[in-house]
Amino acid sequence: EVQLLESGGGLVQPGGSLRLSCAASGFTFSNYAMSWVRQAPGKGLEWVSHITKSGGVTHYADSVRGRFTISRDNFKNILYVQMNSLRAEDTAVYFCAKGRTEGWEKDAFDIWGQGATVTVSS
Amino acid sequence: DIQMTQSPSTLSASVGDRVTITCRASQSISSWLAWIQQKPGKAPKLLIYKASSLESGVPSRFSGSGSGTEFTLTISSLQPDDFATYYCQQYTTYPYTFGQGTKLEIK
Repeated sequence: EVQLLESGGGLVQPGGSLRLSCAASGFTFSNYAMSWVRQAPGKGLEWVSHITKSGGVTHYADSVRGRFTISRDNFKNILYVQMNSLRAEDTAVYFCAKGRTEGWEKDAFDIWGQGATVTVSS
Repeated sequence: DIQMTQSPSTLSASVGDRVTITCRASQSISSWLAWIQQKPGKAPKLLIYKASSLESGVPSRFSGSGSGTEFTLTISSLQPDDFATYYCQQYTTYPYTFGQGTKLEIK
């Protein structure tokens, strides 16, 4: 079964750091682009960051550029996002999402994780 | 950034109804549009990709159409399981952007 499982969420103070992980299983992880998408409480979906299948190219939303870093370990089948200088407005459920088509770098997301909750508060 | 605007924001309908949700892009996105369903507390689920292609396992009562800047999601005969929030999303240009969502409620 194709599955994504996020971990690493929690409560952090403003200005703090957190790293989320997304463990992939059931597919050849290294052949697919991946993204992080977040959802603030009661709000809609917001794309955060994208990484190509090799990890060589990354993209970020303006709201997180310079503070978040997406990366992947294609040997361990894990996607990461390192989140620094966290702000209250970063409070959200963070989903990892898999690109639908093997080898495509821009694609719809066909598999989503269950989400990791990040709360930024003092 | 490409703005995605959905209408309506809320839709009240009954089981068996035919419903249509519209999504407009602020510039042409060709057919690089997805429709996503989300239920409270759950992960989003892909319904439609490339504007009109039905994702595997999704019931055929869901259909998508459109290209360029105007898109629609149609549910031909609403079932109880369909009451949820629906989002459109463009994936042609970074940053990928979502519509604000359409909440489909039971009338």
